[in-house]
Amino acid sequence: NAGVTQTPKFRILKIGQSMTLQCTQDMNHNYMYWYRQDPGMGLKLIYYSVGAGITDKGEVPNGYNVSRSTTEDFPLRLELAAPSQTSVYFCASDGGHVSPLHFGNGTRLTVT
Amino acid sequence: AQSVAQPEDQVNVAEGNPLTVKCTYSVSGNPYLFWYVQYPNRGLQFLLKYITGDNLVKGSYGFEAEFNKSQTSFHLKKPSALVSDSALYFCAVRDLGNAGNMLTFGGGTRLMVKP
Repeated sequence: NAGVTQTPKFRILKIGQSMTLQCTQDMNHNYMYWYRQDPGMGLKLIYYSVGAGITDKGEVPNGYNVSRSTTEDFPLRLELAAPSQTSVYFCASDGGHVSPLHFGNGTRLTVT
Repeated sequence: AQSVAQPEDQVNVAEGNPLTVKCTYSVSGNPYLFWYVQYPNRGLQFLLKYITGDNLVKGSYGFEAEFNKSQTSFHLKKPSALVSDSALYFCAVRDLGNAGNMLTFGGGTRLMVKP
């Protein structure tokens, strides 16, 4: 049981480039989330999904897009990378209100 | 709106001594409360949760937390710290009245356990 899997683990982008961060979970969870973690800071919610075909914005959605075509996958798209998007990105999933989040191991992104 | 505060950026404790990592919260309804731990270069791992019932909750690795409704606190505790407990700890709250089922995280507290 792999849980939540994120790829890639590391990536360096140049300003203006685009990329997709992949996230997949094998626990059949309806709820999935993307967070970013900046140094010395807590986690900020970027986007979330309550099920296939349904997504919504979190606290810091600007500069990002998501899709949820299947229960398992929840990719995060950066269209025009900016230095302010340098961060560690975590994908997570859970099975409902009383369930804890299961996190992936993160993607460390640097934009220069 | 819901919020979580972890007033200490870092907590230092000697191995074998008891430890406390503080957390206070603010919600409009009844809270679901969680503690997570993060080791270097890893995602957050679930430690324990309070949903309802007994105010003292026991979790993984010998950790426990006490829910105090009057003080709106949910402090994490362990009777005897280990060096391997050194990590970043996050408190989180989910408001039962919060549409979207989203968690709000505190800023994190770094625990340093010295031999």
